[in-house]
Amino acid sequence: EVQLVESGGGLVKPGGSLRLSCAASGFTFSTSSMNWVRQAPGKGLEWVSSISGSSSHIYLADSLKGRFSISRDNAKNSLYLQMNSLRGDDTAVYYCARAKENYGDLFDYWGQGILVTVSS
Amino acid sequence: QSVLTQPPSASGTPGQRITISCSGSSSNIGSNYVYWYQQLPGTAPKLLIYRNNQRPSGVPDRFSGSKSGTSASLAISGLRSEDEADYYCAAWDGSLSAGMFGGGTKLTVL
Repeated sequence: EVQLVESGGGLVKPGGSLRLSCAASGFTFSTSSMNWVRQAPGKGLEWVSSISGSSSHIYLADSLKGRFSISRDNAKNSLYLQMNSLRGDDTAVYYCARAKENYGDLFDYWGQGILVTVSS
Repeated sequence: QSVLTQPPSASGTPGQRITISCSGSSSNIGSNYVYWYQQLPGTAPKLLIYRNNQRPSGVPDRFSGSKSGTSASLAISGLRSEDEADYYCAAWDGSLSAGMFGGGTKLTVL
């Protein structure tokens, strides 16, 4: 059974940093594309970032470049999202999601999500 | 404003068939797969349709997807009260090298 479990969320002050983690199990992690998707309170889904199985291809939403970065550790079956210079509009539930590593394939399994609140 | 355009709301009565549209462009829907997700209140999105018209195991055949050119549709037949949820379309955009979601459609079962 595929399982994705996010951790590392919480309350952070504007300008602060946070590192989200996603622990994966139940599938071959190293050959799967991994992704972050977020959802602000009461809003729709927003793609954040994707990373290929070997980390050779990394994509990040233009609006987040320079502040967020994605990485993975295949030995630990873990995905990360480093978030710096956090702002109020980064407040959202962040989901970790898996995708098959074929061009154009999107998210088939999702974690339960982790809440990040940016507030003073 | 989302790159993929969906109607913000849709409604139907039990047993009815409804469709939800998703409009994009040649760089996303026109050249890549369309995915559909169902999100019940307070829960993570769930995959409903992948690769335009494929259903994952466990998804009832009341749900179907189609794509034509730069548009796609999700159809739900035999509408049930438990179908009341938010529905999102998504596609990869090759020009932007980014994932794209529609703004979501809130389905109400009257």
